[in-house]
Amino acid sequence: QVQLVQSGAEVKKPGASVKVSCKASGYTFTNYGISWVRQAPGQGLEWMGWISAYNGDTNYVQKLQDRVTMTTDTSTSTAYMELRSLRSDDTAVYYCARDPTWDYWGQGTLVTVSS
Amino acid sequence: DVVMTQSPLSLPVTLGQPASISCKSSQSLVHSDGNTYLNWFQQRPGQSPRRLIYKVSNRDSGDSGVPDRFSGSGSGTDFTLKISRVEAEDVGVYYCMQVTHWPPTFGQGTRLEIK
Repeated sequence: QVQLVQSGAEVKKPGASVKVSCKASGYTFTNYGISWVRQAPGQGLEWMGWISAYNGDTNYVQKLQDRVTMTTDTSTSTAYMELRSLRSDDTAVYYCARDPTWDYWGQGTLVTVSS
Repeated sequence: DVVMTQSPLSLPVTLGQPASISCKSSQSLVHSDGNTYLNWFQQRPGQSPRRLIYKVSNRDSGDSGVPDRFSGSGSGTDFTLKISRVEAEDVGVYYCMQVTHWPPTFGQGTRLEIK
């Protein structure tokens, strides 16, 4: 069965970086992309960007373009999202989702940014 | 970016009664390929989003087994998610999302609670 399993919760200080992983199984990884979505505490869903697992093409939301990098490792069917220069308002649960179908999501990774 | 506006934002419903959520987009969601890429998601407390409906009215079957009391309808810029008879397990936040236009955008979410 299709699964997206994300890495565990992180606590970071302002200015640091975080890298969240999303390991896919149960389907041909390179046939789909991965989108990343975040959800601040008590808030709605915000799309962050997308990566093609086929060729590594990316597209990021403009407000994060300077701070986010999405990558994949096809040998392990894993997608990664790195966010740099963390601020307190980056505190959120980060989700990966299979794109373009949006039919499978990871379990979420809580990233807490606090001094 | 396409703005997705949901109403109501809070929806108290008596068990066994119907419920309806509206989602309006700031521009037509008809893609140049003729499809309308409007999804509905349910997010239960503490869980990842779960896709209920894709391309306006197609209910998810298979692994997720979305009950047939959920239905989607609409066209162009106006869309609706209906629950024919609300059950206790339907409590959560419901989001519409468009992927016709780049970037993907979500509605603000509608919180369904039991009266």
